[in-house]
Amino acid sequence: ETGVTQTPRHLVMGMTNKKSLKCEQHLGHNAMYWYKQSAKKPLELMFVYNFKEQTENNSVPSRFSPECPNSSHLFLHLHTLQPEDSALYLCASSPGLGYEQYFGPGTRLTVT
Amino acid sequence: SQQGEEDPQALSIQEGENATMNCSYKTSINNLQWYRQNSGRGLVHLILIRSNEREKHSGRLRVTLDTSKKSSSLLITASRAADTASYFCATDADFQKLVFGTGTRLLVSP
Repeated sequence: ETGVTQTPRHLVMGMTNKKSLKCEQHLGHNAMYWYKQSAKKPLELMFVYNFKEQTENNSVPSRFSPECPNSSHLFLHLHTLQPEDSALYLCASSPGLGYEQYFGPGTRLTVT
Repeated sequence: SQQGEEDPQALSIQEGENATMNCSYKTSINNLQWYRQNSGRGLVHLILIRSNEREKHSGRLRVTLDTSKKSSSLLITASRAADTASYFCATDADFQKLVFGTGTRLLVSP
């Protein structure tokens, strides 16, 4: 888990709140990813950024808004979420697209 | 639709035994990767095997790939209690993204 950090580790928010998840990688990688992991479902890719440019949006609802200001930082802005959005949100980075990915510890999100 | 599918869904063994997990996928791939996840934590990359490779080793791990059958296997030899985790295969078909399976939950008892 070292190399990719995520904050906060746990988050409880109401449906009308706005919050942001932060991811930072210290590995000098060029690609970064957001995944959603819900119970009894495969890991779902949400967004891919390569050299700060978004290359993949996997049909994610607009209440999730990513931001990648540089190759080391990735944010996921959340607003008006639904209870079914409760999940573990994982950030990952890789040297480039098509390489092995390094994951952060995740943010456990609960929407009440 | 889901690309990788692991089998079995759950596996329970004793320390010292070998554990074998299988992964099947549906389309052509560039590479296949195996990851481990301890409960509620981030995933850890184990091995990447490219489509032109048939077998790779890393310590006690052995991965095989059969592109004609669209399947891969992960063998953990001489398992330890610390190997208890969920194991996922992930396929890269377009050098853009990984598609993960639902995983195999491995329990290694002392």
